[in-house]
Amino acid sequence: ILNVEQSPQSLHVQEGDSTNFTCSFPSSNFYALHWYRWETAKSPEALFVMTLNGDEKKKGRISATLNTKEGYSYLYIKGSQPEDSATYLCAFPRTGNQFYFGTGTSLTVIP
Amino acid sequence: DAGVTQSPTHLIKTRGQQVTLRCSPKSGHDTVSWYQQALGQGPQFIFQYYEEEERQRGNFPDRFSGHQFPNYSSELNVNALLLGDSALYLCASSPTTGGSSYEQYFGPGTRLTVT
Repeated sequence: ILNVEQSPQSLHVQEGDSTNFTCSFPSSNFYALHWYRWETAKSPEALFVMTLNGDEKKKGRISATLNTKEGYSYLYIKGSQPEDSATYLCAFPRTGNQFYFGTGTSLTVIP
Repeated sequence: DAGVTQSPTHLIKTRGQQVTLRCSPKSGHDTVSWYQQALGQGPQFIFQYYEEEERQRGNFPDRFSGHQFPNYSSELNVNALLLGDSALYLCASSPTTGGSSYEQYFGPGTRLTVT
């Protein structure tokens, strides 16, 4: 069993606030770290695939950083909007394409 | 371009019955993975199919089996259903196997309820 942990479990922020979540994963035998966004009643949508230590990726107001030596990744949302409300999942692939997911961070942005 | 599709959307079965879930991958993708998401948990990897063969398998009993067809679509079969099999079943496709940096594209899932 491989532990991928996400924190916090849930988060409520006001519109316009910036926020961040954490994904922790085993630091050995790193292949990649994936972030997904999952809105209610929709399919999980890939946000970022991070492969190199020190990687920083950005898509609009959302960005992510990666530290493979200590085994964590941060996801940041700047100026949260109600449409950012979703569950954010991280996934850690091992032995090819066997992905281990965290339990997710549920974000609610209050208008 | 159609994304990943799954059918049916919802399903209610009785303990001991068998169920088949279906998945069509995104156009151009040849690898299909299946996940189970129980309430309060993240998706758990069941198995992955590539070139019509099971390539990877997670910690699931033999009651869970699958198949991939020449057109890359896939089925997940669960025999002798238990109450604990109630979950959302997600299908994901990717363009190749063995590449952990490839994005997976997910379908909307099939909600299975076992009574």
